[in-house]
Amino acid sequence: EPEVTQTPSHQVTQMGQEVILRCVPISNHLYFYWYRQILGQKVEFLVSFYNNEISEKSEIFDDQFSVERPDGSNFTLKIRSTKLEDSAMYFCASSEVASGTDTQYFGPGTRLTVL
Amino acid sequence: GNSVTQMEGPVTLSEEAFLTINCTYTATGYPSLFWYVQYPGEGLQLLLKATKADDKGSNKGFEATYRKETTSFHLEKGSVQVSDSAVYFCALSRGGKLIFGQGTELSVKP
Repeated sequence: EPEVTQTPSHQVTQMGQEVILRCVPISNHLYFYWYRQILGQKVEFLVSFYNNEISEKSEIFDDQFSVERPDGSNFTLKIRSTKLEDSAMYFCASSEVASGTDTQYFGPGTRLTVL
Repeated sequence: GNSVTQMEGPVTLSEEAFLTINCTYTATGYPSLFWYVQYPGEGLQLLLKATKADDKGSNKGFEATYRKETTSFHLEKGSVQVSDSAVYFCALSRGGKLIFGQGTELSVKP
């Protein structure tokens, strides 16, 4: 069964450093998402992406964050200058369409630890 | 605004016990509702969904009914197994993005 993959599974970085989290969505999916979960808190929507553009972003997704689909398979989340509060599990997801009824398929997540 | 509230965890049950995890939502209109499950060390997996009022989603012995009148989508299973131990997330969909509850950890003891 096709699945969403994410690398790395765990990233440790120093405050102020840039990180890039990578995702490979399911191949025939057109819509891509990033979510994050701070330890002990809810899973929160960050951004959705379609046709090489951001469709929607949350208030969390400020200028320090960016997303890109650099080639036909990868979808990346970049945090330009990490802060301690960026420590969280980051989940990538993809779906065939962006209707409210469609299922989003999630990757296993990348745990980001900012020291 | 749109939000989802789940019952607090952790929930600890003995094998073959009946499970209910409560989920209520606040939303404009009629969103689709989902239950996702996260097994230890894995990502979120769709367990079941319902897209309109009175729909019942079901999968792997789990069920949930979309109740518009009570704005609820409670998850139930008649007889849990040790392998059901996981974190369960209720979510609603608005414009393609998911809004999650806080998750409920379930631990099933043999």
